[in-house]
Amino acid sequence: QVQMVQSGAEVKEPGSSVKVSCRASAGTLSSYIINWVRQAPGQGLEWMGRIFPMFGTMNYAQKFQGRVTITADEFTNTVYLELSSLRSEDTAVYYCAREYYDYWSGEYHYYYYMDVWGKGTTVIVSS
Amino acid sequence: EIVLTQSPGTLSLSPGERATLSCRASQSVSTTFLAWYQHKPGQAPRLLIYRASSRATGVPHRFSGSGSGTDFTLTISRVEPEDFAVYYCQHYDDSPPTFTFGQGTRLEI
Repeated sequence: QVQMVQSGAEVKEPGSSVKVSCRASAGTLSSYIINWVRQAPGQGLEWMGRIFPMFGTMNYAQKFQGRVTITADEFTNTVYLELSSLRSEDTAVYYCAREYYDYWSGEYHYYYYMDVWGKGTTVIVSS
Repeated sequence: EIVLTQSPGTLSLSPGERATLSCRASQSVSTTFLAWYQHKPGQAPRLLIYRASSRATGVPHRFSGSGSGTDFTLTISRVEPEDFAVYYCQHYDDSPPTFTFGQGTRLEI
C-alpha cells in the first residue's frame, strides 16, 4: 500500500512563503492525482488544489488563486505546495492526499475521492 | 458553488447505539461525487464511503452510506468506542473542478 510522506513542521513569518512536500513511498507520483487539503485549528477540512502531473493539469480553489502553486518533480517523485503572502489565518495542518482513478478498456475512470492521505505538515505563521 | 451542510454539529451517543449523520447539499448532486471521511485528532482523515454508498476497502460493515439528490446519510449501525471522531462529507464539482467539504459532525461519547 502506497504511503504519502510529508515534510516536517514549519514556522514562518507573516508575508513570507512556505513550501511543503509530499513524496509517494511507491509507484510513480506523476501517475497520481495529488490533492492538498488543510485544517486550521478548530476548523474543518478545506480543499486547496490538486495536480495530475501525467497530464500537466492543476486546479486551485478560488479562495487561494494567485497565492498557491502546486508543482511536481518527477525525478524525486515529489509534489510540492507553495503558499505565499502568509498570514496568521494560514496556520494549519496541511495534508496531501491521493485521488483515486483507474484505467481500463482504453479509458480513464475517475472516482472523485481521496483514498491515501499523508500524516500532515504543521505550518505556523507567527511573528 | 455547492454548499454542504452537515447536521447535527455534535452527536452524543453511547457505544452500541445507532448513529445517523446528515449531509445536505445546496442543490441536487450526483451520487458519483459524494464521499464520507472519518477524522481523529492527530491522524490523517480516512475514507469511509465513496459514490454515496460504496464502502472503502477495510471499512467495517457497520458503516453505510445512502441518499440521493440533496440529502445524504452516513449511518453507523452500532457505534464502537473507536468510532468517536469527526465525520465529513465531501463533494466534487467539475465546473470548475473543485472539492468541497461539509463543516463536519463530531461524534462524542
